[in-house]
Amino acid sequence: IAGITQAPTSQILAAGRRMTLRCTQDMRHNAMYWYRQDLGLGLRLIHYSNTAGTTGKGEVPDGYSVSRANTDDFPLTLASAVPSQTSVYFCASSRDRVDEQFFGPGTRLTVL
Amino acid sequence: AQSVTQLDSQVPVFEEAPVELRCNYSSSVSVYLFWYVQYPNQGLQLLLKYLSGSTLVKGINGFEAEFNKSQTSFHLRKPSVHISDTAEYFCAVSETGGSYIPTFGRGTSLIVHP
Repeated sequence: IAGITQAPTSQILAAGRRMTLRCTQDMRHNAMYWYRQDLGLGLRLIHYSNTAGTTGKGEVPDGYSVSRANTDDFPLTLASAVPSQTSVYFCASSRDRVDEQFFGPGTRLTVL
Repeated sequence: AQSVTQLDSQVPVFEEAPVELRCNYSSSVSVYLFWYVQYPNQGLQLLLKYLSGSTLVKGINGFEAEFNKSQTSFHLRKPSVHISDTAEYFCAVSETGGSYIPTFGRGTSLIVHP
């Protein structure tokens, strides 16, 4: 049982390129989340999904998109990466929206 | 909308000393409160949570926190820290009856010296 997996672990990307960060959970959790973590700013919510088929915008959604076609997967796409999207990205899930969140190991993304 | 403030960005302490990491929140409704820990190069994991009931909450690794509604605080404490407690600690708050999506504080770096 892996919990939450994220891929890739790290990536260096040229500005303007498209990138999809993958997130998969095997806990059958209803809710899933994407955060970015930047030094001194803590975690900021990008997008979330309360259940398969639904998504919502978080605090910093611009430049990112998500989909939730099934319960297990919640990919995050950067359509055209910019240097300000250099960050560590964490995917999380919770049984439902009132429960504590379980976090993946993160993806370190550098946009040059 | 809720907000959370972690009053110290960094807390240095010697091994076996007690520690308190401070967290204050702002909300107009009832809240759920969480503390998470992040070890270097890892994701966050739950230390403890307050949903309702007793205001003193005990968590893993000997940590505890007390919910104080009048002071809108949820400070984290440990009576004797270990080197292995060196990590980043995040307080989070979510409002009941709304989206329940938590807002995280900016984190407190606990540095335990030998």
